[in-house]
Amino acid sequence: DGGITQSPKYLFRKEGQNVTLSCEQNLNHDAMYWYRQDPGQGLRLIYYSQIVNDFQKGDIAEGYSVSREKKESFPLTVTSAQKNPTAFYLCASSGPSGREHSSSTDTQYFGPGTRLTVL
Amino acid sequence: GESVGLHLPTLSVQEGDNSIINCAYSNSASDYFIWYKQESGKGPQFIIDIRSNMDKRQGQRVTVLLNKTVKHLSLQIAATQPGDSAVYFCAENMAGNNRKLIWGLGTSLAVNP
Repeated sequence: DGGITQSPKYLFRKEGQNVTLSCEQNLNHDAMYWYRQDPGQGLRLIYYSQIVNDFQKGDIAEGYSVSREKKESFPLTVTSAQKNPTAFYLCASSGPSGREHSSSTDTQYFGPGTRLTVL
Repeated sequence: GESVGLHLPTLSVQEGDNSIINCAYSNSASDYFIWYKQESGKGPQFIIDIRSNMDKRQGQRVTVLLNKTVKHLSLQIAATQPGDSAVYFCAENMAGNNRKLIWGLGTSLAVNP
């Protein structure tokens, strides 16, 4: 079954450590996105990538880094420069092979999320 | 029940009633709108979408209405069930916006049995 996977589901980090969150999709989507969600809040865009080997900063990119070496994968690294990293991180993808009766290739489909906690 | 605004309000309805969740979108040039449902601890799930050349679209138990004159979008859920309890987000897309979505802050729907 096609979809988007994120791992791990829960992640604990000590202060000063970098951690990498995984996002993989087998939907053959060109575009991928990373969002941060704080409790009771909406989604804020961290980084996005429209095509392999290219990515752009979103609204809150400071303290984060990404890579897009493969179409299927868009890992997010939370660096020690991110002062308040505890949050729920969501990965999404969009593209021509959309599903769920969407009428647009711009519809984003989400993974299950990774909850990051800094100890 | 009905809600207004972008500050994560809470809408509480009785099971079996109809729910109306509202969203005031930001950009008059937006041409595509989506409603998502997010259950606690999960990623948002696509519900229904609508293009700007339409003013109404129906799905299974859900209807989206678009009023471009006042930049207003609503999601109607018929015969609300306990499984509908979630946070609902509207999102808008503008052609040429690098495929980014502009997100509303969400509305929390609580269904009382």
